[in-house]
Amino acid sequence: AAGVIQSPRHLIKEKRETATLKCYPIPRHDTVYWYQQGPGQDPQFLISFYEKMQSDKGSIPDRFSAQQFSDYHSELNMSSLELGDSALYFCASSRRTLQETQYFGPGTRLLVL
Amino acid sequence: AQSVSQHNHHVILSEAASLELGCNYSYGGTVNLFWYVQYPGQHLQLLLKYFSGDPLVKGIKGFEAEFIKSKFSFNLRKPSVQWSDTAEYFCAVTRGNTGKLIFGQGTTLQVKP
Repeated sequence: AAGVIQSPRHLIKEKRETATLKCYPIPRHDTVYWYQQGPGQDPQFLISFYEKMQSDKGSIPDRFSAQQFSDYHSELNMSSLELGDSALYFCASSRRTLQETQYFGPGTRLLVL
Repeated sequence: AQSVSQHNHHVILSEAASLELGCNYSYGGTVNLFWYVQYPGQHLQLLLKYFSGDPLVKGIKGFEAEFIKSKFSFNLRKPSVQWSDTAEYFCAVTRGNTGKLIFGQGTTLQVKP
């Protein structure tokens, strides 16, 4: 079965640079969630999209922005990167009912030097 | 304050021992409950979920969990663990009309062969 695809899997950036993370949901899934997992921490919700519209917002810094495109893939844009942005960024997708399970992608490991 | 609490941060068991990981949440109203597992270097995978109905939920790989509404708990159990169960286990909640997952701090399970 098709899974959530994230790219790139690993990314190394310098401070103050920008990064773009991509997420391709499972086919026919219309909702995408982004989570950030710092070292040794639990995943924290950043933002979600349903049908290309932002549906919820969590602890996402103003330096970050995201969108969902017509093919339902999503991109997380991160600017003015800081050392503290180093983390594993997960994308999850689901179908839009409250009882649909979120399926997670493999994550993008971002290291900011 | 953490709204999803996992009591055990690090558990070490021998193979064939029984496992119980505690999870409590602090939300009132309708909640959906999940246990996810994260094997070393891998993404989050769903073990089991509770939305309604029978409070004893069976998941994959021999795991089960019991929802006790009066105690706001959703503890994970397995009668006999295997070395391959070594992983990080996350309890998570969705609530109200939002699909975002709120995770507990996670429990690292180490099973000795």
